[in-house]
Amino acid sequence: ETGVTQTPRHLVMGMTNKKSLKCEQHLGHNAMYWYKQSAKKPLELMFVYSLEERVENNSVPSRFSPECPNSSHLFLHLHTLQPEDSALYLCASSQDYRAGYTFGSGTRLTVV
Amino acid sequence: GDSVTQMEGPVTLSEEAFLTINCTYTATGYPSLFWYVQYPGEGLQLLLKATKADDKGSNKGFEATYRKETTSFHLEKGSVQVSDSAVYFCALSANYQLIWGAGTKLIIKP
Repeated sequence: ETGVTQTPRHLVMGMTNKKSLKCEQHLGHNAMYWYKQSAKKPLELMFVYSLEERVENNSVPSRFSPECPNSSHLFLHLHTLQPEDSALYLCASSQDYRAGYTFGSGTRLTVV
Repeated sequence: GDSVTQMEGPVTLSEEAFLTINCTYTATGYPSLFWYVQYPGEGLQLLLKATKADDKGSNKGFEATYRKETTSFHLEKGSVQVSDSAVYFCALSANYQLIWGAGTKLIIKP
């Protein structure tokens, strides 16, 4: 398998649930990213990991908790979310940001 | 700070029409410039890129030229197809990440 793989593709969760989104890249890249994409809003960068260290956290609420156990895997742990957190969550990776990112297909999250 | 401005959509064209989607940028330094495409229900895919002034990126009939004098990177295609219907994002590299435009939705009618 190649590229960036995100699971699950779709997730419906209640506001009291705890769930996790998973991202895996098979490209040998050293940086990974979480983005939030909401309808009629620009892409929002949430977290950046470089060489497994978090280098950016764009004022994301603590109900979102990232984890990067190694350079190939990235998780986004979710708890006590709000309906406005419903969105498409995109994972991306890069070896050199100046060459661009490779994106996964995203997880469509619905909070009910 | 660094920023990217794209023309607002949606842009609606008939099949085989000529396409231009405007993108201008503000940046310090010498960024790389990108166009990404997002088909419904999918993530973003790199369409083309240019790394220095006067470079032309091209892919699948789409082209864009890095114009430093006008700080622009307009996307063009000579004859669009229904399958080109998607959202197109312009981006630049800065501060160890990509800075994104708001996206332009393209609708191609048969």
